Amino acid sequence: DAKTTQPTSMDCAEGRAANLPCNHSTISGNEYVYWYRQIHSQGPQYIIHGLKNNETNEMASLIITEDRKSSTLILPHATLRDTAVYYCIVRPYTDKLIFGTGTRLQVFP
Amino acid sequence: ETGVTQTPRHLVMGMTNKKSLKCEQHLGHNAMYWYKQSAKKPLELMFVYSLEERVENNSVPSRFSPECPNSSHLFLHLHTLQPEDSALYLCASSQDLNSNNYGYTFGSGTRLTVV
Repeated sequence: DAKTTQPTSMDCAEGRAANLPCNHSTISGNEYVYWYRQIHSQGPQYIIHGLKNNETNEMASLIITEDRKSSTLILPHATLRDTAVYYCIVRPYTDKLIFGTGTRLQVFP
Repeated sequence: ETGVTQTPRHLVMGMTNKKSLKCEQHLGHNAMYWYKQSAKKPLELMFVYSLEERVENNSVPSRFSPECPNSSHLFLHLHTLQPEDSALYLCASSQDLNSNNYGYTFGSGTRLTVV
């Protein structure tokens, strides 16, 4: 059963910020929000995760709303190599990673 | 190089063949996983191993047989497969089954074609 809802696809101009939304209105208090991406024909790559505070690392920022019902992954300066399928996953720390269909991000020159 | 190595990268096999996929990690992780990704479908979790013990088998047909001889290696033995088993098979590892640090590290996968 899908715990997250993401747009099927998005476009972003190179050099601009890519903002990828995710709805998780049924998230439980012990569930984290994880983001992975999968570049064509490769294995998924971990990007970032968070519980309720905003998080930032060298790859991206994760903004989680106060009610935790939605989040946004931000790639501050998208490059062509960021073209990939991005997966938003909610999961208790004791559970496995279950993937949905994700958002196909196309970065164009 | 992600830290999880899968071989072979590509495999073509007949329906009567027996083959094995190999996964190796030297990250010191204790949990390992097999996923299947068919064309235009989400990743499906197949098997979960923790400390070399199988802890989950998600209704996978018996023609897929996993083996975890030690915490660094995971195999998927294949026999009498069907053309619909053609897919990208991905191996992943995590620090522990209940790990919540950096999640899973995936290999690059084995692209399997059954003819």
